[in-house]
Amino acid sequence: EAGVTQSPTHLIKTRGQQATLRCSPISGHTSVYWYQQALGLGLQFLLWYDEGEERNRGNFPPRFSGRQFPNYSSELNVNALELEDSALYLCASSLSIWGSTNTGELFFGEGSRLTVL
Amino acid sequence: RKEVEQDPGPFNVPEGATVAFNCTYSNSASQSFFWYRQDCRKEPKLLMSVYSSGNEDGRFTAQLNRASQYISLLIRDSKLSDSATYLCVVNVGNTPLVFGKGTRLSVIA
Repeated sequence: EAGVTQSPTHLIKTRGQQATLRCSPISGHTSVYWYQQALGLGLQFLLWYDEGEERNRGNFPPRFSGRQFPNYSSELNVNALELEDSALYLCASSLSIWGSTNTGELFFGEGSRLTVL
Repeated sequence: RKEVEQDPGPFNVPEGATVAFNCTYSNSASQSFFWYRQDCRKEPKLLMSVYSSGNEDGRFTAQLNRASQYISLLIRDSKLSDSATYLCVVNVGNTPLVFGKGTRLSVIA
């Protein structure tokens, strides 16, 4: 069974540009989460989508946005890139949190490493 | 106060040693607790859930103290392959998991 897949693996952008990161969850998972992991920092929660809707948003500015498509894949967009946006962006999926079978385990992709110059 | 706090380490221990990591959480409404493992430049993976009664999985033992809002992970007979960053993770109801910054472990031959 395929795990969570993310693309691109690496992305280099310059300040002010826009970046789009993509994520495909494990088949059957409807919840998708985005986390940012900057160097020396822990995983910071960005966005959570479930069943196509944004369920929760972390403490990030509005230039971080995303969406979830009908097939449950997701996209993270970062506008007006700043140097401090350089980080590993991790996508994770799980069964719907509203379902009784959700164990709380998140399955992560290998991440997209964004470098802003 | 940070939601989940961990000693960043690094913990440098010889093979065969026993090592313990601690974690404190600030939200008393936290309901679920986990330890994840993250290898260098890799994604985090679930190591084990932490139950109120404590639980063991081979060489790994997790404990939860709700009164003190404290979670621990004990690794016995450390192996070189245990070298990684261990993330303490907390869940408050139907909200995204909150991750600590992690504790780095280096097991030395």
